[in-house]
Amino acid sequence: DTGVSQDPRHKITKRGQNVTFRCDPISEHNRLYWYRQTLGQGPEFLTYFQNEAQLEKSRLLSDRFSAERPKGSFSTLEIQRTEQGDSAMYLCASSLGAPLTDTQYFGPGTRLTVL
Amino acid sequence: AQTVTQSQPEMSVQEAETVTLSCTYDTSESDYYLFWYKQPPSRQMILVIRQEAYKQQNATENRFSVNFQKAAKSFSLKISDSQLGDAAMYFCAYREVTGANSKLTFGKGITLSVRP
Repeated sequence: DTGVSQDPRHKITKRGQNVTFRCDPISEHNRLYWYRQTLGQGPEFLTYFQNEAQLEKSRLLSDRFSAERPKGSFSTLEIQRTEQGDSAMYLCASSLGAPLTDTQYFGPGTRLTVL
Repeated sequence: AQTVTQSQPEMSVQEAETVTLSCTYDTSESDYYLFWYKQPPSRQMILVIRQEAYKQQNATENRFSVNFQKAAKSFSLKISDSQLGDAAMYFCAYREVTGANSKLTFGKGITLSVRP
């Protein structure tokens, strides 16, 4: 197993464009998380999936953001009508979901720059 | 809401020396988990060490150990025999035990540099 992967690693877009990021979790992990990390800050929780069900969304996730996890495998995070304030590193993490061993493993992130 | 505070933005240590990174947190829960994650430059975040709040014994992982003071809500990371590869951002994180969502709440991080 190669761990959590994310694609693309870098994305530069113009304000107003739509972008989509992909996350492939570790294969047997049923929980998948999206976080956003801005420069000089720690990651902030955005949303979380248990298998294919999106169970929680942060208030940080405006209606321009949508996430999916079809069939409980990979996940996509789409940002519509991007704004300069959306520039950040978007991190994906996955975990087994067992309460006592629910360690989250992170992917390398997608760095978004909105011009 | 739970909060995690890392008040030192940067620290520096001489190679082979010991350094301690500080973290405090605030919660009304009695049981929870605490973590230290390492984020090397342009590389992905990896787990360094975890501590269960119900355990009195401090966690250790090779050169990494924690000083967990539950009453003071303090969770510091000690790195012994520092190596050049330890240079990174270090994040302290908190997670609830109860509830379905095991989201992590992170501090702002501390940048550790290691001097050769």
